[in-house]
Amino acid sequence: DIQMTQSPSSLSASVGDRVTITCRASQRINNNLNWYQQKPGKAPILLIYDASSLQSGVSPRFSGRGSGTDFTLTITSLQPEDFATYYCQQTHSTIFTTFGQGTRLEI
Amino acid sequence: EVQLLESGGGLVQPGGSLRLSCAASGFSFSMYAMSWVRQAPGKGLEWVSGMSNSGGSTYYAASVKGRFSTSRDNSNKIFYLQMNSLRVEDTAVYYCAKDIEGSYLATWSHWGQGALVTVSS
Repeated sequence: DIQMTQSPSSLSASVGDRVTITCRASQRINNNLNWYQQKPGKAPILLIYDASSLQSGVSPRFSGRGSGTDFTLTITSLQPEDFATYYCQQTHSTIFTTFGQGTRLEI
Repeated sequence: EVQLLESGGGLVQPGGSLRLSCAASGFSFSMYAMSWVRQAPGKGLEWVSGMSNSGGSTYYAASVKGRFSTSRDNSNKIFYLQMNSLRVEDTAVYYCAKDIEGSYLATWSHWGQGALVTVSS
């Protein structure tokens, strides 16, 4: 299986900050990388697919970059509603898709 | 509006069985691949199973292969997960999720609210 490693595992920030979360794949996955946001007790929400494509309805404050093994999710001008846990997911192997362990973004 | 509503969760003893259902509405169900994703208490997300729009292709995580079975009823817009030989480590919230396109891409634009399955004696 392709292993996905996110860093940091947790992150403290303030409203208005710019933050970046990193995701590294154990092998090259081209641009087959998604990002999800999850709040406590809620289902995940798709933010970014194919590494850099913004899902419909998602704020443009979210952006994704990367290809190969290294990827980033950047959130600009943090808002109170952005404090959540973020997961990356590789879809290079769709029949064995895997997630990162998550990054908890806290105030 | 796309809606996915899971049902069938509950408490079951180790070795028991349970069937989850996911009722879909607001989109052409038969045109989209669907998946099950679970989340153990306090843990991250784990893909469980995926199925093509026709039901002709099905995929399973190694952790559930041979014990879980996925199916769909395109006429009634329902997606199923049959779970047999349940283990304590299968305890989780189970989400059904709709693929972003018709093909199986394992990219999920819509998710249900989740169904809690607890395996305990």
